[in-house]
Amino acid sequence: GAGVSQSPSNKVTEKGKDVELRCDPISGHTALYWYRQSLGQGLEFLIYFQGNSAPDKSGLPSDRFSAERTGGSVSTLTIQRTQQEDSAVYLCASSLVSGPRSYNEQFFGPGTRLTVL
Amino acid sequence: QQPVQSPQAVILREGEDAVINCSSSKALYSVHWYRQKHGEAPVFLMILLKGGEQKGHDKISASFNEKKQQSSLYLTASQLSYSGTYFCGTVENAGGTSYGKLTFGQGTILTVHP
Repeated sequence: GAGVSQSPSNKVTEKGKDVELRCDPISGHTALYWYRQSLGQGLEFLIYFQGNSAPDKSGLPSDRFSAERTGGSVSTLTIQRTQQEDSAVYLCASSLVSGPRSYNEQFFGPGTRLTVL
Repeated sequence: QQPVQSPQAVILREGEDAVINCSSSKALYSVHWYRQKHGEAPVFLMILLKGGEQKGHDKISASFNEKKQQSSLYLTASQLSYSGTYFCGTVENAGGTSYGKLTFGQGTILTVHP
């Protein structure tokens, strides 16, 4: 596609429910990233994929959070037993490559606004 | 540890200049600059690599002082469209698998008035 797409754009859920957030990166981009942005805050790194593997998942806040990427393309971020503090905008980004001497210019999707009641 | 941006907010009139600074306590591989308008995704502005390479938009300039781990974004002859929140993101020079992890500053809110 022309850009990074994410779905759904908005998700309202009840505390304790599981949610899945989807990211479709730019075609051909090998690297994919998930970030979280709470109201009025900066962007918080969650996890980074190179192909289908995740070399860095150090930003996942708890074991309730998991992510996978299949076929080197689509990624799903899953939050189990959601809590109110999980409410935020979840942003996905992709880049063509990621490695030594690469620019690693990241293109962001529009985000999924998650509200946990 | 996230980089520190300064100032936290800037108010300009059209045509005025501004400098936004980003400082890290870590040795850096690269510094990225993004602009985010309210309710929209961050948009890439500039990337500066250790060693002097850089890539970005023609109308945006920035510097990266590798010894001080500091970067500055220069906005000249500001336009109304420059309004938004500016974030710097840093990649630490840890080698290995760290190239994808951007650690963002808290943001600088820029407002340009007519």
